[in-house]
Parts: sequence; structure tokens; C-alpha cells
Amino acid sequence: DGGITQSPKYLFRKEGQNVTLSCEQNLNHDAMYWYRQDPGQGLRLIYYSQIVNDFQKGDIAEGYSVSREKKESFPLTVTSAQKNPTAFYLCASSLQGEAAETQYFGPGTRLLVL
Amino acid sequence: AQSVTQLDSQVPVFEEAPVELRCNYSSSVSVYLFWYVQYPNQGLQLLLKYLSGSTLVESINGFEAEFNKSQTSFHLRKPSVHISDTAEYFCAVRFSGGYQKVTFGIGTKLQVIP
Repeated sequence: DGGITQSPKYLFRKEGQNVTLSCEQNLNHDAMYWYRQDPGQGLRLIYYSQIVNDFQKGDIAEGYSVSREKKESFPLTVTSAQKNPTAFYLCASSLQGEAAETQYFGPGTRLLVL
Repeated sequence: AQSVTQLDSQVPVFEEAPVELRCNYSSSVSVYLFWYVQYPNQGLQLLLKYLSGSTLVESINGFEAEFNKSQTSFHLRKPSVHISDTAEYFCAVRFSGGYQKVTFGIGTKLQVIP
């Protein structure tokens, strides 16, 4: 079945530690996105990528980094510079271009700080 | 800048009663509008979308939304809710033309009471 997978489902981070969240899609989508979800704040865009080897900062990129070496994969690293990382992280993908394509979401990763 | 306002953070409603979840957006250009649904600890799923044409759009599970350009609204309605409709609902907007990021509202939690 086509879709988006995120791993792990839960992730625990210690102080000063970098952690990486995985996102893989087999929908052949060019565009991929990372969102952070906090209660009462909806979804906020962290980074997005429209094509392999290219990505742009979203609204809250500080303390995060990404890479897009393969079309199928868009991992997100939460660095030690992110002082409040506890949140639910959602990865999404979509087709590209001017058409208003639907975004397809993964099941999410919940990050907790120890 | 585009923005989305969901006026109600929580909406309790009895089973089989009608419901309306409100969504207003601000934009001076043409937009595409979406409603997504999120069940607990899951990603978002597209419920319905307005791109062009008929201003009334429907989903397969009985929800409908009407695009009202003069009031810049895209309210979601269902004439009779079921327990399984309990979820969080997000309104989203995207500018038409070229690549534009999607802006999400803060979400409305629909609680269906037996």
C-alpha cells in the first residue's frame, strides 16, 4: 500500500542530545513537509522540500535541520538548540506544481524530553 | 499574509444532532480551502476540499462545506453526527498560483456525546 511512514512512534530526548525523526513515502511525491503540532496551536511548518537536494525553512525552523538526499526520504533532526522540543511531529507529502494538491500525512512521532 | 481562524476550540454535541464548525480566512487573492480530520494520536486525513466550481463540497461520510467568498468563510457542517465523528478538525488555506504553503487553523475538537 502507498503511504507515509514515520518512526519511531515515540522518541525520548535527553538534554543536549540531537535526535532524528524518520519520514519515508512511497507515493512518488516530489514535495515533503515537516510540521510541529502543539495543543491549541494547530500545525506549524518547520521545513519543506519541493525537490531532491533542496529544502526551505518554514515558520519555525530554528533548532531543526533536514536533508533530502532521496525523493522518498525527508528526515528531521531536532538539535540541542531547540529548547522546547516536546511536541507531536507530523511529516507530509504532496504532488508538485500549481495544482492545489492534497497533503498526505504520516502517523506522527511524539517527542518527549527526559 | 494568509491566515485561518477557527473560532471554536471545542464543540460538544449530542449524537444525531447537527453540527457546524466555523472557519474564516483572510486573503485578497484566490484560495484553495481544505478541511482535514485528525483522530487521537494519528496524522491528518483530508476530509474535503474546494478548488473551484460548485461552492458546496461534500465528503463521503456526510460532511459538507460551503465556500462563501463574500464572507471569506468555509464552514463545515453535518446534519447528524455519530460517535465516530469525535475528532479534531482543521481548516486550511492555500493561495492559488505557484507554490504556496498551506496555512492551518488551530483546530476544533468535536466531542460527540452519546
